[in-house]
Amino acid sequence: DAKTTQPPSMDCAEGRAANLPCNHSTISGNEYVYWYRQIHSQGPQYIIHGLKNNETNEMASLIITEDRKSSTLILPHATLRDTAVYYCIPHSWGKLQFGAGTQVVVTP
Amino acid sequence: EAQVTQNPRYLITVTGKKLTVTCSQNMNHEYMSWYRQDPGLGLRQIYYSMNVEVTDKGDVPEGYKVSRKEKRNFPLILESPSPNQTSLYFCASSWAGAGEKLFFGSGTQLSVL
Repeated sequence: DAKTTQPPSMDCAEGRAANLPCNHSTISGNEYVYWYRQIHSQGPQYIIHGLKNNETNEMASLIITEDRKSSTLILPHATLRDTAVYYCIPHSWGKLQFGAGTQVVVTP
Repeated sequence: EAQVTQNPRYLITVTGKKLTVTCSQNMNHEYMSWYRQDPGLGLRQIYYSMNVEVTDKGDVPEGYKVSRKEKRNFPLILESPSPNQTSLYFCASSWAGAGEKLFFGSGTQLSVL
């Protein structure tokens, strides 16, 4: 599995967009880019994933660069409940590795 | 409701006393896996299973056993627990293949004294 680099922490004002970057320069062709988040010590929660194209769902948008070496998760209107650790994980099937993630703190 | 159920939620035990943490999913998922989470080390995969009777090691399998006799269940067995296995454990499942999202359980906080 590819290794990832994410900023350790990020602050965001409530109501503003949060843009979370992730570098995954060693991603292989069959690996999707997944984003999960973990609120305190709860089980991680799926947010979104993509292979090559940008993706959007009710929670977030995912922008993947053309060379697939990096991606950005966008939370369009952050709320206090979005405070969590966000993990970017290139993955296809089988063995899976979480990195350290980005601690996002949304402030009023 | 689709869910991954882990039991127990909290467990305190003593060194050497065998224990099992159960994991069950009701979504007919082929893939199941176990993770441990320690402060400063993030989530690390212990074992995973691609289907019934198929299991493989993750990054930290030492001291753990698993079995996958039925599709819905994937128990984690600690035959001789030690204090360094004190951790927060998560089970997860998904359908087979790339492009499928993981569903996680609520976690089991294990303390080995």
